[in-house]
Amino acid sequence: GDSVTQMEGPVTLSEEAFLTINCTYTATGYPSLFWYVQYPGEGLQLLLKATKADDKGSNKGFEATYRKETTSFHLEKGSVQVSDSAVYFCALSLTNTGNQFYFGTGTSLTVIP
Amino acid sequence: GAVVSQHPSRVICKSGTSVKIECRSLDFQATTMFWYRQFPKQSLMLMATSNEGSKATYEQGVEKDKFLINHASLTLSTLTVTSAHPEDSSFYICSARPGGLPTYEQYFGPGTRLTVT
Repeated sequence: GDSVTQMEGPVTLSEEAFLTINCTYTATGYPSLFWYVQYPGEGLQLLLKATKADDKGSNKGFEATYRKETTSFHLEKGSVQVSDSAVYFCALSLTNTGNQFYFGTGTSLTVIP
Repeated sequence: GAVVSQHPSRVICKSGTSVKIECRSLDFQATTMFWYRQFPKQSLMLMATSNEGSKATYEQGVEKDKFLINHASLTLSTLTVTSAHPEDSSFYICSARPGGLPTYEQYFGPGTRLTVT
């Protein structure tokens, strides 16, 4: 079935370190892919998205490229900040399932000064 | 803008009782609201989709008589867990979508932690 697998956390990094959070997907159709972020005490927020193969989503210094050949959508940031500490969720949506979302389990990131 | 609130943020109830969780869109009208649940170390799972003024559409495997959803206005949806049991303990998250936008334009509430003792 359709699903998303993302790397387990928690991830702890020093400020200005490079971040990668891996995400791979399984889908029967052509999904749109998303990264959501949840800051402590807040709801999930859309961080970035890509709707077709080779698209690159970017926002707030984060990037992810839709790789159909490897069924991946890894999240990257070149230099993390303390304020990036949050839980990150990878997700996919398929139009042939009424745009239902399939979320990954979430990866907790803590950035230390 | 686009803030969704949930109340309560945490609730503890005894087995056999019912619990109501509210989801409100504070600064927009939500044509559609979604309810998710999340078990520890697991994904968010969609439970049901509700459109204002209509009956909710439940996902396969979700008991509609146990999880009652009411979307009586464009800014409020409620989830009532009836005759709660310990296995219903979970993190419940709602999201809301303004009318006419793609599904991915959902705004999420902060979640409600339900513990059934």
